[in-house]
Order: sequence, then structure tokens, then C-alpha cells
Amino acid sequence: DIQMTQSPSSLSASVGDRVTITCQASQDISNFLNWYQKKPGKAPKLLIYTASNLETGVPSRFSGSGSATDFTFTISSLQPEDIATYYCQQYDNLPFTFGPGTKVDIK
Amino acid sequence: QVQLVESGGGVGQPGRSLRLSCAASGFSFRRYGMHWVRQAPGKGLEWVAVISEDGRNKYYADSVKGRFTISRDNSKNTLYLEMISLRAEDTAVYYCAKDRVAADISSFSYYYYGMDVWGQGATVSVSS
Repeated sequence: DIQMTQSPSSLSASVGDRVTITCQASQDISNFLNWYQKKPGKAPKLLIYTASNLETGVPSRFSGSGSATDFTFTISSLQPEDIATYYCQQYDNLPFTFGPGTKVDIK
Repeated sequence: QVQLVESGGGVGQPGRSLRLSCAASGFSFRRYGMHWVRQAPGKGLEWVAVISEDGRNKYYADSVKGRFTISRDNSKNTLYLEMISLRAEDTAVYYCAKDRVAADISSFSYYYYGMDVWGQGATVSVSS
């Protein structure tokens, strides 16, 4: 199975700050990577697909980049409603695997 | 609008069985692969299983293989997850989710792209 790691595991930032999360795959997954937002009590929400494509309706402050084994997720200007846990997920091979998540908080 | 609604969660004793259902609406259900994903209390997301649009291709996480069965009824626009031999570690919120890309009916292979629409979740608690 492909293992996904994320860093940091948690972070605190101020409103308006730029936030960056990294995700690493245990093998080359090309650009077959998605990013999800998960808030407590809510269903996960797809934000970015195929590493860098913004899902319809998602604010443009969210972005993604990377390929092969190294990926980056960025919130260009953190907003209060962005408080959540963010997960990367590979779909190059079954079983799909998620990263352990990055919890984002407001400082 | 596109919607997925899970039902059938509840409390079960270890070793017992439960069946989850997921009713789909607002899209052509028969054209999409469907997934189950779970989140145990205080833990991250765990992908559980996928089924192809025609029901012929299924794949499971090792943690549930041999105990869980994913199925679908395209005439009823409904996805199922049959869970037997339940364990305490199966306690989680279970989400059904639609694959992001419609199946290519000209392809002889099955491809899956991740989950773009999710249900609200069904809680399964396994406890004696």
C-alpha cells in the first residue's frame, strides 16, 4: 500500500496568514492526489483534485501543487471558516490512502 | 441537487452484523463508482471500499476484507455496506461518497479518481 505522510500535524496561524501543508507519498503517484477539508460533525469536502485543480465552488485562496512524491497545499490568506483538519489522499493505486491530517487553528 | 443519505447505523455487539444503506439522488448513479470511507473517534479518515458503476469490480481495505461487503442496486439508486463479525475497532462514522469521474463505458478497465460528493455519515458503534 502507498503510505502518505503530512506535516505539520497541527498548526496555529493568524487570520490573513499564508498557511502551507506538505504531503509526501511513499512512491511516485504522478499527480493522482486530492486534498479534503474535514470539520467536526461535517462530511469531508473535496477542495483540490489531481494535485492542483480547484474543485468547483471552492474559494481561490486554496491551492495545491506538486507531483511524484511531494505535494503542497496552501491557504493564501487564512480565514476563520478555514478552521478544520486537512487531508491529502492518493488515488494512484488501490487501496486509496489518506494522510494522517493537519489540524489548522486560529492563533 | 446531488445528494447522498446514509442510514442503518447503530449499536452492535462484537461479532454481530449491521448493514448500511446510502440513497443517491440528483445524479446518474449508474454511471459512477461509489466508495465507503470511515472515521473512528479521534482518528483520521480511512478509505474502506469501492464498487464500480456496474457492480462488477470491488476492492476493500485490508482491515475489512472478508468481513465487509459493498454492493449496489442501480434500479434503486442505492449503495450498501454489509458488515459482519463486527469488532470494537469498526466503531466509526461511515460515509458513502461518489467517485469524482463518471465511468468510461468504452474502457475495459475500472478507474477511480477520489470522492467529490459525500453523505452526512452514519454512526456505527460496536460495544458489548
